[in-house]
Amino acid sequence: DAGVTQSPTHLIKTRGQQVTLRCSPKSGHDTVSWYQQALGQGPQFIFQYYEEEERQRGNFPDRFSGHQFPNYSSELNVNALLLGDSALYLCASSLEGQRCADTQYFGPGTRLTVL
Amino acid sequence: QQQVKQSPQSLIVQKGGIPIINCAYENTAFDYFPWYQQFPGKGPALLIAIRPDVSEKKEGRFTISFNKSAKQFSLHIMDSQPGDSATYFCAAVSTSGTYKYIFGTGTRLKVLA
Repeated sequence: DAGVTQSPTHLIKTRGQQVTLRCSPKSGHDTVSWYQQALGQGPQFIFQYYEEEERQRGNFPDRFSGHQFPNYSSELNVNALLLGDSALYLCASSLEGQRCADTQYFGPGTRLTVL
Repeated sequence: QQQVKQSPQSLIVQKGGIPIINCAYENTAFDYFPWYQQFPGKGPALLIAIRPDVSEKKEGRFTISFNKSAKQFSLHIMDSQPGDSATYFCAAVSTSGTYKYIFGTGTRLKVLA
């Protein structure tokens, strides 16, 4: 049973560039949430995708956007990168419609460094 | 009202000790409280979770105590081992919404051999 996978593992970009991070949910899961985790902090909710639509968003600017594909995988895009965007980006998946939908399983994350 | 306050920030215990990590919340809409363990460079891994209809839940060496009236919950690690050294995060979720997790700030635990 494959868990949540994310790619790439690490990424280095310069200010102003754009980045795309990818996530494949745990087998059987249909909902994907994205989080940003700054060093030494707890994860902060960016947004959640279900049925290929963004249905809830945290306190992040429009530079952060996403997409969910018919196979439930997801992408996180960040435009006009700032130094402060350097963080571990986590993807979490869950299954809608089940009581256990409240249980989210996290991937290993993508470490983004903005120079 | 969306915050979850976690303490202590760091904790050092001897092997076999019982570290206790505390979390407090304000939003009464929260109805699911998971704990995650995170090792450096890895994503958080679910340890144990509790709903407010019970006051305690045990899974192996991990126990959650929940006080609904005080809006507080805590994680106890029995017979702690050096391999338990990690950062622990509590979270709170409102399952009537879209299950947005609100995480605490984390507790860095070190268990000495």
